[in-house]
This record gives sequence, C-alpha cells and structure tokens, in this order.
Amino acid sequence: SQTIHQWPATLVQPVGSPLSLECTVEGTSNPNLYWYRQAAGRGLQLLFYSVGIGQISSEVPQNLSASRPQDRQFILSSKKLLLSDSGFYLCAWSDPGLYEQYFGPGTRLTVT
Amino acid sequence: DAKTTQPPSMDCAEGRAANLPCNHSTISGNEYVYWYRQIHSQGPQYIIHGLKNNETNEMASLIITEDRKSSTLILPHATLRDTAVYYCIVRSYGGATNKLIFGTGTLLAVQP
Repeated sequence: SQTIHQWPATLVQPVGSPLSLECTVEGTSNPNLYWYRQAAGRGLQLLFYSVGIGQISSEVPQNLSASRPQDRQFILSSKKLLLSDSGFYLCAWSDPGLYEQYFGPGTRLTVT
Repeated sequence: DAKTTQPPSMDCAEGRAANLPCNHSTISGNEYVYWYRQIHSQGPQYIIHGLKNNETNEMASLIITEDRKSSTLILPHATLRDTAVYYCIVRSYGGATNKLIFGTGTLLAVQP
C-alpha cells in the first residue's frame, strides 16, 4: 500500500531563516506531487505541483520554491522566511490522470 | 472548472444521517464531482467521486441529481469522528496535472 511521509510535524522558525520541508511517498512510482498551504482559518491553497523529476510548476508567486530531486521526493524551501509564510503545509500525491489525491500529515510552521 | 456552492456549516446528531449539499449549476458534461473532508489539524481525505450515477463506498454515498446541477454527500450514521470540513470539488477527469481547487467547504459538527 502507498504511504506518504512529511517532516517535521511542527516547526518554529525566526523571520529571515531558511526553510526545508520534505515529503516522501512509498509504494508507488511516478506519482504527481503537490504542495499546499493552509493559513489559519483559511482554505487550502495549491502552491506547487510536479508531474516528474525536476518538473515543477508554481501556482502563485511567493517566497517559496519546490524541488523534486527523486521520483518520490518533494521538497519545499525558502531562503528567507517571512511572517506570512506561517501556516499548515501539506504534501499530497496522486496517480497521473486521477484526481484522487492522498495527503500527508502536514507540517505546522510558525514564523516568529 | 465549474464553481461549487456549499453551506458554511451544518449540525447533525450522532447516529443520524448527515446530508451535505453542493450546488454546481455550471457543471459540464465531462466534469466529475469529488468530495474530500478535512478533520481538524489533519490533511484532507478523499471520500468519493461520481459523474452522474449515484455512488456508494464504505465511507459515504453520493447522490447526483439527474440534471447534475447539484449533489448530496450522505454519511449514513454520523459519528463524532465525522466532525470535519467537507469539500465539494468539480473537475474534469484525467489530464496530466490533476490539480484540485479547494473552496471553503462545509463545517459539519456532529453533536452527541
């Protein structure tokens, strides 16, 4: 069966510090991968998606970047965090062509 | 993609059926209706999807009207653990990126 991992579960970082969140998927190959953010009390916002290694599409201009160095690894990064980067970050995967997405447990990021 | 409209919140008594409505009056012929839910502080969970026939799985039933302009998600015997935000999403099937656009959803509160 497929599983998706995210770490860390929680993170408190000062403004201006770098960020690296990691997501890995097991039990499937060539998945589509997604990064979402959910600000407090708000809906889910799609940040990035990837259909293959090295292929990243950004949905909104922002202070963040994403990379996919391996088939089942998706990384969300920032060089300098802003207060507005605080939120709940979720990674998801899907089989190509299907809309059933499966989400990881999320990382709660607080920028202070 | 067709726009969906859901009530912001609903209550349901434990053990009773929860019926969550969704309007999608501009749905086109190749668009499916997807339902996800998000329990507090967790990632969204796929529930069910359908095109025009009613669908049932171990979690819920999906009733789509004959004109496909609205649908209802039914949780037959709601429990306290079903308290969550429920999202109705309309998307065409397939495509390389299979992005999902989450709206604000319906907060279902199951009362003891």
